Amino acid sequence: ETGVTQTPRHLVMGMTNKKSLKCEQHLGHNAMYWYKQSAKKPLELMFVYNFKEQTENNSVPSRFSPECPNSSHLFLHLHTLQPEDSALYLCASSGASGANVLTFGAGSRLTVL
Amino acid sequence: DAKTTQPPSMDCAEGRAANLPCNHSTISGNEYVYWYRQIHSQGPQYIIHGLKNNETNEMASLIITEDRKSSTLILPHATLRDTAVYYCIVRAHNYGQNFVFGPGTRLSVLP
Repeated sequence: ETGVTQTPRHLVMGMTNKKSLKCEQHLGHNAMYWYKQSAKKPLELMFVYNFKEQTENNSVPSRFSPECPNSSHLFLHLHTLQPEDSALYLCASSGASGANVLTFGAGSRLTVL
Repeated sequence: DAKTTQPPSMDCAEGRAANLPCNHSTISGNEYVYWYRQIHSQGPQYIIHGLKNNETNEMASLIITEDRKSSTLILPHATLRDTAVYYCIVRAHNYGQNFVFGPGTRLSVLP
């Protein structure tokens, strides 16, 4: 347990479904991140939030919609996904965007049928 | 793009030291060297980081060359549980500087 909790751990959805991934941290961190890890590819940064404000969107398609209601919670809303969106989605947090260490959750394994 | 180059894979015998190299020839003066590892299908785990001096903690040692263009992560007594992908990342401690992961080195610790 790293202090960053992701739910669900596994999700299977159809291309027409709407689902959400949730991330929660109790580390007192102010920055939260979504990364995507496709099979045999490096981690790709998707979004960064600092103090609830989105500070980076790494050219992510609009079918991925992040939400950060407070510094402890981060969501990734999913709709009309494609099979190539199947991947491990990792949430991380840090003290602030320039801080030393990222703490990752265990990830949510998404399969789009 | 990642600013580091690592071998794609390495093997190490259990109980021996694992030495993982990383090249970062374009590193800037304010950029730190970080190491993370990712055990299969889990989130990456922080190992160690440093700027100029060698660093040691309970997990590993980090040796940075004097010109800072390369570094080596040392796991002094590798165990089977150290089998993972190891990522070397350079990053400044400035606002907006994010962690950019490359493909890393897949370390296999063999019995």
